[in-house]
Amino acid sequence: DADVTQTPRNRITKTGKRIMLECSQTKGHDRMYWYRQDPGLGLRLIYYSFDVKDINKGEISDGYSVSRQAQAKFSLSLESAIPNQTALYFCATSDQTGEYYGYTFGSGTRLTVV
Amino acid sequence: SQKIEQNSEALNIQEGKTATLTCNYTNYSPAYLQWYRQDPGRGPVFLLLIRENEKEKRKERLKVTFDTTLKQSLFHITASQPADSATYLCALGTGANNLFFGTGTRLTVIP
Repeated sequence: DADVTQTPRNRITKTGKRIMLECSQTKGHDRMYWYRQDPGLGLRLIYYSFDVKDINKGEISDGYSVSRQAQAKFSLSLESAIPNQTALYFCATSDQTGEYYGYTFGSGTRLTVV
Repeated sequence: SQKIEQNSEALNIQEGKTATLTCNYTNYSPAYLQWYRQDPGRGPVFLLLIRENEKEKRKERLKVTFDTTLKQSLFHITASQPADSATYLCALGTGANNLFFGTGTRLTVIP
């Protein structure tokens, strides 16, 4: 089984719909992150959480919300999806520093908003 | 403004040669720099870390250099193989334990 599992892998949704992307991990890491990846823009941080009671906005949090249901679960919601939220979304985890062993990424969710 | 630039979107190289990828940054003070590999349809995979007080790091056929004066990291793959074909991302780590990614360089190793 993958260390970081994202569901769904692909999703097409309509403008204005609410959608949730889910992430679970078996790494035992406290820290979890949501990134989006767009061609030419690289990975950009949406939200991050250093433990269950800690949620922080990243550089592009507008239009998104998150929930850390447990140490192993971190979900990302788009309350009212819009076409420019079409992107590849990645969940990642790290240990306390994220420095020595890097981040562990899931395989991503490709989201299309039509 | 803060910027992380990787030398080119795509790099083609002949099998057996050394591939050199560049990561330049402005208006960051990274404590460390990481390199990741990303295959199509997959998430990035961590390869190497180099800290601000280190000049060079090696791991098998990979070598990373870090020049904080030039604000640049070079990533080398020696004796490149077709299996090395992928997109390579550099990422800067700051003291706040956040990671900022470059846009990546897509490497193709031609047999």
